[in-house]
Amino acid sequence: NAGVTQTPKFQVLKTGQSMTLQCAQDMNHEYMSWYRQDPGMGLRLIHYSVGAGITDQGEVPNGYNVSRSTTEDFPLRLLSAAPSQTSVYFCASSYRRILYEQYFGPGTRLTVT
Amino acid sequence: GENVEQHPSTLSVQEGDSAVIKCTYSDSASNYFPWYKQELGKRPQLIIDIRSNVGEKKDQRIAVTLNKTAKHFSLHITETQPEDSAVYFCAATNEQTGANNLFFGTGTRLTVIP
Repeated sequence: NAGVTQTPKFQVLKTGQSMTLQCAQDMNHEYMSWYRQDPGMGLRLIHYSVGAGITDQGEVPNGYNVSRSTTEDFPLRLLSAAPSQTSVYFCASSYRRILYEQYFGPGTRLTVT
Repeated sequence: GENVEQHPSTLSVQEGDSAVIKCTYSDSASNYFPWYKQELGKRPQLIIDIRSNVGEKKDQRIAVTLNKTAKHFSLHITETQPEDSAVYFCAATNEQTGANNLFFGTGTRLTVIP
């Protein structure tokens, strides 16, 4: 199992550019989510999905879109990048019942200039 | 929504001493409390968790305690070693929602001094 994978590892964008952060898991997990990690603020939930075709907003959804067309993939789209979106982004996945351990991807470090 | 507070933000201990990190939560419906360890430049990884029907759980040198009445839970690391140096995050969620949305504390940077 590759677990949770994320691409790219690093990205630099200019203000106003758009891009998609990729996330995939091969554990057949129903639940997937995106967090951003900023210094002194812990991890904050951006969007999440409890299954293919179902997505919902987390704590800090503004400026981001997601879709879940398959169980394996959960891409995060930045529509028009802003410097405030400079952060480290983690994707995570887990089962929805009984076993709740969330497995995190390796992260994507995004810088918006 | 849930609000999780974590203290202290930094903690330095001598090798062999114990370390304690404390968290409080606001939503009395929260019933699952994991702790994650994040080494520098790495992903967060689960080290221990506890559910609200249990008051304490141990795994070798690591233990977690939960006080539902006071809405706080703590991580205890005994006989600390240099490899315990990392950032530790507590989190809380309500399993009954069916969505495993974790609400994280702001993290504690633990440094174990050899």
